[in-house]
Amino acid sequence: KNEVEQSPQNLTAQEGEFITINCSYSVGISALHWLQQHPGGGIVSLFMLSSGKKKHGRLIATINIQEKHSSLHITASHPRDSAVYICAAWGTSGSRLTFGEGTQLTVNP
Amino acid sequence: DAGVTQSPTHLIKTRGQQVTLRCSPKSGHDTVSWYQQALGQGPQFIFQYYEEEERQRGNFPDRFSGHQFPNYSSELNVNALLLGDSALYLCASSSRTGYGYTFGSGTRLTVV
Repeated sequence: KNEVEQSPQNLTAQEGEFITINCSYSVGISALHWLQQHPGGGIVSLFMLSSGKKKHGRLIATINIQEKHSSLHITASHPRDSAVYICAAWGTSGSRLTFGEGTQLTVNP
Repeated sequence: DAGVTQSPTHLIKTRGQQVTLRCSPKSGHDTVSWYQQALGQGPQFIFQYYEEEERQRGNFPDRFSGHQFPNYSSELNVNALLLGDSALYLCASSSRTGYGYTFGSGTRLTVV
């Protein structure tokens, strides 16, 4: 069992739909990252959060430390949101990220 | 303000050869981490450098080695390349506490 697990692995949506990607982790963490990776490789950090909720534009990230669960929401999805979304845990015992396998999101026009 | 810069962007090597990948961290960052991402998988941690020393290491063989220079830039070296080393190699820089974790665009290595 991976230390960081995401669901779903693949997600297809129509433009305008509300999207949720889930992340569960089994290790103690000091923070959790949500990352976006477009085809070609470049990774962009969307959020780093250790409690509560953060919002940036149409993106919202929440975390529940007690339940070891985080969600990434995209409101009014758009085809340009199509990418791989990865959650990554920043452990309490070290200073490296442990990554989930990623969620491939495709938003159709 | 430049972010994390990696070079080269693409590289093709023959099995058995050696390769060196380079990373310049974001201004103000002193810690560099390297990751390997095979096609369709999440990144896997290779190692991390801080103060010119390897501080942490993932589950990678000794063929994978690195270096950090006084200006905080870093190199990843892979010896005796295998076909299975074909992957996207990502460099990330941060402060020592992980603040501002920033990824480079990666180097796509193909071993033939």
